[in-house]
Amino acid sequence: DAMVIQNPRYQVTQFGKPVTLSCSQTLNHNVMYWYQQKSSQAPKLLFHYYDKDFNNEADTPDNFQSRRPNTSFCFLDIRSPGLGDAAMYLCATSRVSGRNEQFFGPGTRLTVL
Amino acid sequence: AQKITQTQPGMFVQEKEAVTLDCTYDTSDQSYGLFWYKQPSSGEMIFLIYQGSYDEQNATEGRYSLNFQKARKSANLVISASQLGDSAMYFCAMREGFENQGGKLIFGQGTELSVKP
Repeated sequence: DAMVIQNPRYQVTQFGKPVTLSCSQTLNHNVMYWYQQKSSQAPKLLFHYYDKDFNNEADTPDNFQSRRPNTSFCFLDIRSPGLGDAAMYLCATSRVSGRNEQFFGPGTRLTVL
Repeated sequence: AQKITQTQPGMFVQEKEAVTLDCTYDTSDQSYGLFWYKQPSSGEMIFLIYQGSYDEQNATEGRYSLNFQKARKSANLVISASQLGDSAMYFCAMREGFENQGGKLIFGQGTELSVKP
């Protein structure tokens, strides 16, 4: 089945230790998104790629970076995680046509010790 | 700026009954899209239903229907014949940005639905 896959599902890191979250898709969608969702809050968009074009949200901290080496993969790098970065990180994809619905992966729950 | 408002932080419904989750939106765009997503405790966001601003008919997907009232800027989700598995967080969202660039979703704060046996 075509889908959005995120690895790992659970990630524990130490304060200040860099961490990378990965997302892959078999849908061949040209747009990929990274959202941060803290407990009991709505998802908040960090950035998205339209093909290779990177679009950063104005209020996304510099601590968060992203890479998209090809259509299928996208990575979220947190350079120096703080306690406030503990959250669920959701990857989503969409096709640029029709209703542009976004398909989400299962998420990676990040814990910062 | 676009905004989505969900005024019900939590809702209870008896199994097999219908429930309406409220959503109002604010936009100055003529063309827009509205979505409902379900998020169980596992965390994955599951797409439920879509309504385009130019769609004349209310959207329906199985037990889900969207009560779209454009003049009132509301897009309420109706779940018929509730099941225990419907217990989850429900988010209303609006697509912001150009359709030919994929756009981004603006989410409401969510409504937590609990279905009682």
